[in-house]
Amino acid sequence: GDSVTQMEGPVTLSEEAFLTINCTYTATGYPSLFWYVQYPGEGLQLLLKATKADDKGSNKGFEATYRKETTSFHLEKGSVQVSDSAVYFCALKARNTDKLIFGTGTRLQVFP
Amino acid sequence: DGGITQSPKYLFRKEGQNVTLSCEQNLNHDAMYWYRQDPGQGLRLIYYSQIVNDFQKGDIAEGYSVSREKKESFPLTVTSAQKNPTAFYLCASSADRGLYTEAFFGQGTRLTVV
Repeated sequence: GDSVTQMEGPVTLSEEAFLTINCTYTATGYPSLFWYVQYPGEGLQLLLKATKADDKGSNKGFEATYRKETTSFHLEKGSVQVSDSAVYFCALKARNTDKLIFGTGTRLQVFP
Repeated sequence: DGGITQSPKYLFRKEGQNVTLSCEQNLNHDAMYWYRQDPGQGLRLIYYSQIVNDFQKGDIAEGYSVSREKKESFPLTVTSAQKNPTAFYLCASSADRGLYTEAFFGQGTRLTVV
């Protein structure tokens, strides 16, 4: 079945460091791919999305590129801030399905 | 402000009791979803609905029930049959079932069985 695999956390970085959170997926056809962010005690917010191969989603300095050949959608940011500390979820929505399928989430901790 | 409202934010339940979590949206979205989140785990789908008066089981529907009598509302009942109900519950909605359509989430309800 369709699934999403994320790197385990926590990811611990100093402020202004480069961030990569890995995400790979398994799906039939070409799904849409999403990154969501969850701040402590809150719901999820959409961070970015990509709907076809080679698309790059970007928002608030975060980027992710839809790589069909490696079935990946890694999240990157060039310079993280303390305020980026949160849990990040990769998700997919496959063709002919009504469901968003989520990875297990990766906690990011950024220290000053 | 358009959005999704979940209530209450915190809920305590005694063992053997049913409780109902509220989810209301004013985004005019067709689709609504309930997810359960446990520490260190991803989100697991409980139920979803694409249209009024219709809903489908997700991956972990046992011990839960829902209704969709109005487009705006999708309440979730956690019944006494749910063996381990303590969790964070998230309601979401999306404009339609399209491939490119993202979901919008409420702020969540934390349910604790005491």
